[in-house]
Amino acid sequence: EVHLLESGGDLVQPGGSLRLACAASGFTFSSSAMSWVRQAPGKGLQWVAGISGGGASSHYADSVKGRFTISRDNAKNILYLQMRTLRAEDTAVYYCTKMLNNVVVPAYNWFDPWGPGTLVAVSS
Amino acid sequence: DIQMTQSPSSLSASVGDRVTITCRASQTINTYLNWYQQKPGTAPKLLIYDASSLKSGVPSRFSGSGSGTDFTLTISSLHPEDFASYYCQQSYDTPFTFGPGTTVDLK
Repeated sequence: EVHLLESGGDLVQPGGSLRLACAASGFTFSSSAMSWVRQAPGKGLQWVAGISGGGASSHYADSVKGRFTISRDNAKNILYLQMRTLRAEDTAVYYCTKMLNNVVVPAYNWFDPWGPGTLVAVSS
Repeated sequence: DIQMTQSPSSLSASVGDRVTITCRASQTINTYLNWYQQKPGTAPKLLIYDASSLKSGVPSRFSGSGSGTDFTLTISSLHPEDFASYYCQQSYDTPFTFGPGTTVDLK
């Protein structure tokens, strides 16, 4: 059974940094692209970033480009999201999710399953 | 970016009702459209992928249809556990985008 578990969420001041981690098990981690999706309190879902199975290719939402970095350690089966220059609008539950394919694109792709999420709160 | 819209934003229904949720993309996305269900305080779960394919283990009362820009999610007969929020998501191109969601609650 595929299992994803996020960690690292915390309360951080605006302008601060935080690194999220997602421990994966139950599948061949290096064969699956992975993504981070976030959900602000009471709001909808927003895709944040995705990375290919081998880690060579990554994609970002415009709102986090240049501030967030997605990476992975395929030897440890861990996905990361390094977040810098955090803003109040980054406050959200961050979900780690597995993608169908080894790449973030092509189009025949979806998010399944999802971890339970970790809360990031950006506030002074 | 591809914009996704959903209607209605919320609806009230009774157990046994037939429910239809509509999702529209701002440009053609072929059938690269997925549906997720989310209950309060929990992570989303995949229901339908590629517009009309039911994920294994999802009850057959859920179905999806559509192609191009217009899609629907139908629950043929609402069960108590189906009261939740539903999101469509396009996988045609990055950035992947979600609809704003439809909340189904008890009438």
